[in-house]
Amino acid sequence: ETGVTQTPRHLVMGMTNKKSLKCEQHLGHNAMYWYKQSAKKPLELMFVYNFKEQTENNSVPSRFSPECPNSSHLFLHLHTLQPEDSALYLCASSQDGGQLNQPQHFGDGTRLSIL
Amino acid sequence: GESVGLHLPTLSVQEGDNSIINCAYSNSASDYFIWYKQESGKGPQFIIDIRSNMDKRQGQRVTVLLNKTVKHLSLQIAATQPGDSAVYFCAEKAGNTPLVFGKGTRLSVIA
Repeated sequence: ETGVTQTPRHLVMGMTNKKSLKCEQHLGHNAMYWYKQSAKKPLELMFVYNFKEQTENNSVPSRFSPECPNSSHLFLHLHTLQPEDSALYLCASSQDGGQLNQPQHFGDGTRLSIL
Repeated sequence: GESVGLHLPTLSVQEGDNSIINCAYSNSASDYFIWYKQESGKGPQFIIDIRSNMDKRQGQRVTVLLNKTVKHLSLQIAATQPGDSAVYFCAEKAGNTPLVFGKGTRLSVIA
């Protein structure tokens, strides 16, 4: 149990569907992150939220829309995705998203497949 | 450097032996480093971290060595066990910038 819970664990959707990924952390952290993990590539940072404010958008296409209603919850809203968006989407949290050098703790991810 | 998927470097180690996994980084301004372990079907799990004012740090059965001169980081696992089989990757951070992850090395433990 990592303290970071992601749902669903698996998601299959068509390119015209709209779905959302959910992440919840029980670690009392103030920063939350979305990453994309594809084969043959390192982890790609997508978004960072620090104290509910988005501090990083790593040139992510607008078909991915994050939402952070509070420091414990993070969503990734998906719409009109492309086949190349199929990947493992990982959520992470850390004590602070800025100056403090603290490790990020990850959930087990949502395996997304776009048909 | 490392790679994932079909080109992921693999280290095969006999159970009970010590393992050494290496990571080269490129940013001389990086001042914080982390090692993660990722088992199949799971997310990355924090193993150990080290700050640039140190060159060695020990945990339970693991040791991280940092050589800033050649920008090299290594993870040593003592008495490797079958449960250590996973993909290991390093991450580096410079100041306030986000963590940058390496691609990973697959460790296979031979029983």
